[in-house]
Order: sequence, then structure tokens, then C-alpha cells
Amino acid sequence: GQNIDQPTEMTATEGAIVQINCTYQTSGFNGLFWYQQHAGEAPTFLSYNVLDGLEEKGRFSSFLSRSKGYSYLLLKELQMKDSASYLCAVKSFNQAGTALIFGKGTTLSVSS
Amino acid sequence: DAEITQSPRHKITETGRQVTLACHQTWNHNNMFWYRQDLGHGLRLIHYSYGVQDTNKGEVSDGYSVSRSNTEDLPLTLESAASSQTSVYFCASSESIETGELFFGEGSRLTVL
Repeated sequence: GQNIDQPTEMTATEGAIVQINCTYQTSGFNGLFWYQQHAGEAPTFLSYNVLDGLEEKGRFSSFLSRSKGYSYLLLKELQMKDSASYLCAVKSFNQAGTALIFGKGTTLSVSS
Repeated sequence: DAEITQSPRHKITETGRQVTLACHQTWNHNNMFWYRQDLGHGLRLIHYSYGVQDTNKGEVSDGYSVSRSNTEDLPLTLESAASSQTSVYFCASSESIETGELFFGEGSRLTVL
């Protein structure tokens, strides 16, 4: 089976840095994604890691350690608009092919 | 601009009724997916398709079916709606299995009374 864990909720202050962790257990691992979802809206793609290391994209960075089954999303210079749910998703091969399985998401609240 | 659209956006139905949620994308993506999203469960995969005439079961496929007769559409059918199927349903598509970036529709909120 597959298991993806991330904290349910986090709070932070405008201008700060926050790290959202994700641990996973899966067979046939083939990549890890982070999505952002504002309340009442569809998820939107943030980042993709398939190799170990850090991927940086503006204020957002994502890290992956395949040996530890661990990833984190780092958000710098937090803004109020960053208040949203952040979804960790693992791509893995199974009997039927490749599918993206999501964790339950982390709700981030940014305050001024 | 290319897009992915779902209809209806909101629907209320009764237990036992058949319901079909439509999903249409204009990106010409081969890969299409249906997820449901519930508090405490996150996004859960229902069915997915890698191309015309291909369909696969996901994590929570019981009570749902899909068909893929063309590239653009993947309708999701609830054969006999149950209150447990009250949820927000998201359709998504992707160009590549390798990169796997999903583009989501705006969601369909279904209430089963």
C-alpha cells in the first residue's frame, strides 16, 4: 500500500519562512509533487522532484530524499496570499500503470 | 486558451439516482483523472484513463464508472448515488506520464440527499 503523511495545519507570520514536511511510503516511487490549493479552488502545480536534492523556484523550494522517503516545501518571504492548503503527491507505478496519489494536505495560515 | 471544464459545478440529487459528471479538456491530453476531495481525506483517486478506450480503477472506484470514447472527454457516472458520495469532484488531465503535472478543472460539488 501507500502512505503519505503531512501536518494538518501550520501557522506563520508574513515575511517569515515556513517548511512543510511530507513523508511517504510507497512501492514503485517515480516522483513527488507539491500543489497549492486555495479555499474553494482547484489545486495548482508548484513543484516536481524525481531526484534527490533541492529544486528552487522563486520564493518556493522543494527538497527530496528518496532513501528517507521524505520531502519538504520551503516557502520564503511569506505573503498573505500564501494562505492555502499545500498538497504533497507521490507518483508511483502500480499494476494498472502510473497514478498520482495525494496526501491529506497541510493548511497554512499566514497572519500579519 | 486550452482549458479543462467540468459540469455541472453544483448538483443536488437523491439517493439511488444515476448521476453523470462531465469533464472536457481542449489540451488534447491523453491522460485524464477523476478525484474526490473530502475533509479529512484529501484528494482520492477514483478512475483514470491513459487514452481512448482505456480506463483504470483508482483507490476509491466502487460505485463509480467512467468511459473514454474520445480524447477530450471523461464522464464520471455514479450508477446509484449514495449519501457517502457527497463530495467535491475534480477532473484533471496531464500531457505526460513522465512529468505527470496535473491540470485540474474547477470542481463539481455533489450533494446526495
